[in-house]
Amino acid sequence: EDQVTQSPEALRLQEGESSSLNCSYTVSGLRGLFWYRQDPGKGPEFLFTLYSAGEEKEKERLKATLTKKESFLHITAPKPEDSATYLCAVMDSSYKLIFGSGTRLLVRP
Amino acid sequence: GAVVSQHPSRVICKSGTSVKIECRSLDFQATTMFWYRQFPKQSLMLMATSNEGSKATYEQGVEKDKFLINHASLTLSTLTVTSAHPEDSSFYICSASTSGGGRWETQYFGPGTRLLVL
Repeated sequence: EDQVTQSPEALRLQEGESSSLNCSYTVSGLRGLFWYRQDPGKGPEFLFTLYSAGEEKEKERLKATLTKKESFLHITAPKPEDSATYLCAVMDSSYKLIFGSGTRLLVRP
Repeated sequence: GAVVSQHPSRVICKSGTSVKIECRSLDFQATTMFWYRQFPKQSLMLMATSNEGSKATYEQGVEKDKFLINHASLTLSTLTVTSAHPEDSSFYICSASTSGGGRWETQYFGPGTRLLVL
């Protein structure tokens, strides 16, 4: 069964304290791995798509990497405005997105 | 680019009434739209996939007669919750992609609709 597991469930950082979020997955026929950011009461906002192991993408303070079993979202020198829930999702062979439960990030000033 | 809107943003209704939620792709044509449901502090669960001009495909456990989906044009899909009950209260989110959900296409999400059934 296709499955996506994110860790940690919640993460508290001081402003400037870099860290990484993990997304491990098992899926038959991976079409792509997606990272989204979701603010409370809002829909997910697209961040990155990764398609193959070894691929990396960056956007401002965020960098996403992908291996055959997991993906990491690295946050460098985070700011309070980076506080949100970060969702990882894999697209399976039927092109459906399977979401993890998310990591709630809180960055304190 | 890739903006998706939803209307209404929140709705309160009485038990037994029907509620319609609209999802629009504002700056692109969406051949495929998806409807998700999200409970508090939980992740998104896919309810159904709709392609323009054809019947929606529902996920296992989702009642198609209760959650009516219409994808009448390349920019509009609607979800109607029929005879709503308190257990239908949730956050409903749509997404849209620009092809048939193919490998290179990203799903862009709307802002969500909060439904509360009294």
